[in-house]
Amino acid sequence: AQTVTQSQPEMSVQEAETVTLSCTYDTSESDYYLFWYKQPPSRQMILVIRQEAYKQQNATENRFSVNFQKAAKSFSLKISDSQLGDAAMYFCAYRASYNNNDMRFGAGTRLTVKP
Amino acid sequence: DGGITQSPKYLFRKEGQNVTLSCEQNLNHDAMYWYRQDPGQGLRLIYYSQIVNDFQKGDIAEGYSVSREKKESFPLTVTSAQKNPTAFYLCASPNLSGNTIYFGEGSWLTVV
Repeated sequence: AQTVTQSQPEMSVQEAETVTLSCTYDTSESDYYLFWYKQPPSRQMILVIRQEAYKQQNATENRFSVNFQKAAKSFSLKISDSQLGDAAMYFCAYRASYNNNDMRFGAGTRLTVKP
Repeated sequence: DGGITQSPKYLFRKEGQNVTLSCEQNLNHDAMYWYRQDPGQGLRLIYYSQIVNDFQKGDIAEGYSVSREKKESFPLTVTSAQKNPTAFYLCASPNLSGNTIYFGEGSWLTVV
């Protein structure tokens, strides 16, 4: 079975600094999507950023960017200029394209932002 | 607006009772998923359905049951066989291409 691994249960960053959250995955597929979701205390799942596996260019959304290494099956999230509102649980997710059987989440990384 | 609606948001269950969590979507998606999340933990897959009248067990299906009689509905029943049901439950549905995953707002279940 395909797996998604987040090796950092907790991370901490100083406000305005940069932090990188790690994610690795295992798949035999060539076409898939990778996601980072943010889950604040409200428990609502909020999409942070999405990467299509066929695209070589790393996705960027304002202060959030990814480092997608397809051969290494690595998908890290970089948060620049961290803000207090970034404090949350972050989940890495994998979804095979056109395959409803295959959608997996990592165990999550709890990010704390220090003022 | 298209989306996923879960109800109730908060539910209390007595020991030995079965309870059903509702998940409804108006996205016209085929696939629907149920996840369980314990405090400070990740999402664990309970059941998923690829299409109407079909569903498959996930990683932690014991003590749970589902049905998929209609495309828009995927209710989850937490049976009395589930010994530790207190958790947060999330319903999700990806679109066909897989580039978007929609989530409900979740349901909190507490055993009293």
